[in-house]
Amino acid sequence: AQSVAQPEDQVNVAEGNPLTVKCTYSVSGNPYLFWYVQYPNRGLQFLLKYITGDNLVKGSYGFEAEFNKSQTSFHLKKPSALVSDSALYFCAVRDMTTGFQKLVFGTGTRLLVSP
Amino acid sequence: GAGVSQSPSNKVTEKGKDVELRCDPISGHTALYWYRQRLGQGLEFLIYFQGNSAPDKSGLPSDRFSAERTGESVSTLTIQRTQQEDSAVYLCASSFPGTSGYEQYFGPGTRLTVT
Repeated sequence: AQSVAQPEDQVNVAEGNPLTVKCTYSVSGNPYLFWYVQYPNRGLQFLLKYITGDNLVKGSYGFEAEFNKSQTSFHLKKPSALVSDSALYFCAVRDMTTGFQKLVFGTGTRLLVSP
Repeated sequence: GAGVSQSPSNKVTEKGKDVELRCDPISGHTALYWYRQRLGQGLEFLIYFQGNSAPDKSGLPSDRFSAERTGESVSTLTIQRTQQEDSAVYLCASSFPGTSGYEQYFGPGTRLTVT
């Protein structure tokens, strides 16, 4: 089955410092990978995706993610964190094993950016 | 344009009662998904609609759960004889298959509390 793992429940970083939120995947075939962010009492917002092409994907709000096939990773990064980036981040992979598309999500990583 | 909307935003119900949750997808999005998010956990896939048909119901946890979609638009998720373990946030998402991204756009969710 397709799956993603987010090994960190929480990531703490000081404002202005670079941040990384980790995600590894396990899929058969080519992975379609996504990052979403969830602010309190809000739905999920799409940040970025990797389908094919360049391994460095740029997304919303200054976020980017690096696809690494050999390490089966898709880590989310930002060069300079903002306090407003504090939220819950989910990595997801497209699952077509039933013949129909759905997303399989990781358990989420809480990012806390301190002033 | 308008995003995915869900109603009600919050629902408190007594154990054993039936509830209906509504989702209005983005206009023109033919694919619609329901997910469940339990407190502190990731998202669980429930059901996928393509048009008014539900080819993938593999995530529905029991026969107390059902969903329908009409007019290739509004969808209703019904939970009969609610149990306390049904307490969660129910998220709806829509997408337009055939675009390059397959990303899903989420509504704000309905928080269901079963007392």
